[in-house]
Amino acid sequence: TQLLEQSPQFLSIQEGENLTVYCNSSSVFSSLQWYRQEPGEGPVLLVTVVTGGEVKKLKRLTFQFGDARKDSSLHITAAQPGDTGLYLCAGLNTGNQFYFGTGTSLTVIP
Amino acid sequence: KAGVTQTPRYLIKTRGQQVTLSCSPISGHRSVSWYQQTPGQGLQFLFEYFSETQRNKGNFPGRFSGRQFSNSRSEMNVSTLELGDSALYLCASSRGQINTGELFFGEGSRLTVL
Repeated sequence: TQLLEQSPQFLSIQEGENLTVYCNSSSVFSSLQWYRQEPGEGPVLLVTVVTGGEVKKLKRLTFQFGDARKDSSLHITAAQPGDTGLYLCAGLNTGNQFYFGTGTSLTVIP
Repeated sequence: KAGVTQTPRYLIKTRGQQVTLSCSPISGHRSVSWYQQTPGQGLQFLFEYFSETQRNKGNFPGRFSGRQFSNSRSEMNVSTLELGDSALYLCASSRGQINTGELFFGEGSRLTVL
């Protein structure tokens, strides 16, 4: 059962544009993580959010956890080609099990 | 320090065969979890081991099994392979139990079933 839906599934933008990726669920998660995966590699953790309404910034990336801890968003400002990759959200449920989202494949065109 | 190492990186099997994949976690990490990644289903949790004990199991058939050794290295086995088992199998290690922080992933073992 897929508990986390990400949108959009694919995104192709020009360098310098802004974008937002969404991660939605009907379930409550005790924490939520965002990972980026590049071709031929495993996912790499970007951020962990724990508190409802929490906002974290990592350079040009802004992550927000929904107030009800059911959803999250990732906003990238002034995207660069190095941001290209598969972005995955992962929610930790009360059973201490991570559920990963369907993924958003981002391509930033120079 | 060395990252998570998975072997083999690529393998091709035929239906009905079995396969064993290996994962060496980061030194000092005691938790190892396994995931199956496919284009259609995304990343799906298989199981997690902590100190040689399976602590959690995903919704996969009994053909999928695993174990963890005293040195924290882990193996997963898939028996009676089916075409749908073709996927990237990812191993992740963490310092404590899976819920205590960051997952460090290996590069994966890409399995093709013909």
